[in-house]
Amino acid sequence: EAGVTQFPSHSVIEKGQTVTLRCDPISGHDNLYWYRRVMGKEIKFLLHFVKESKQDESGMPNNRFLAERTGGTYSTLKVQPAELEDSGVYFCASSPRGQAHSGANVLTFGAGSRLTVL
Amino acid sequence: AQKITQTQPGMFVQEKEAVTLDCTYDTSDPSYGLFWYKQPSSGEMIFLIYQGSYDQQNATEGRYSLNFQKARKSANLVISASQLGDSAMYFCAMRPLRTGNQFYFGTGTSLTVIP
Repeated sequence: EAGVTQFPSHSVIEKGQTVTLRCDPISGHDNLYWYRRVMGKEIKFLLHFVKESKQDESGMPNNRFLAERTGGTYSTLKVQPAELEDSGVYFCASSPRGQAHSGANVLTFGAGSRLTVL
Repeated sequence: AQKITQTQPGMFVQEKEAVTLDCTYDTSDPSYGLFWYKQPSSGEMIFLIYQGSYDQQNATEGRYSLNFQKARKSANLVISASQLGDSAMYFCAMRPLRTGNQFYFGTGTSLTVIP
């Protein structure tokens, strides 16, 4: 089966511009997560979708970040306007239905989208 | 508070030797899962091994084993018979079961296998 796909793999934008990252989870996976790793720091949770609903968005840094998952398939994460501190690698991960509350909830990650804000 | 600590930013190991990557965690949740992920240069995070907090035995998956010491809150990853392809970043992660669906990650350890 195809894995989690993220696009673009790398984006370089100027401060104040807008960027939209896309994630295609594994087909049939209801759970979709966004994480972010700022250089040298830990990977931090941003939000969790169950199908098209936001289950938990407590990790979203501020209202410049908007995540959507229309139709419960792919998801987008828009940063508008981008700031320097938004630079990092944005990971998407997915897992099947029912696993969200399972101890062995193994997330399948994508390769990440590296965002550089100049 | 939930926290994962990986104190080794970089490690080197000779090919065919074993290596231990350290991970300690902190949580007030009595039920949790512990995970290790590998991130090669390609960027994709690859799941390696899982340990449940109530599991009596240490998890093993091929050359990977998790040295789980609950009282010390440590979950070290042991890679036996290192291979060149093991060179990568390794992330330890924890998922508390009763406080949401978040995974908490450490800062990672960069492992380099020397031929």
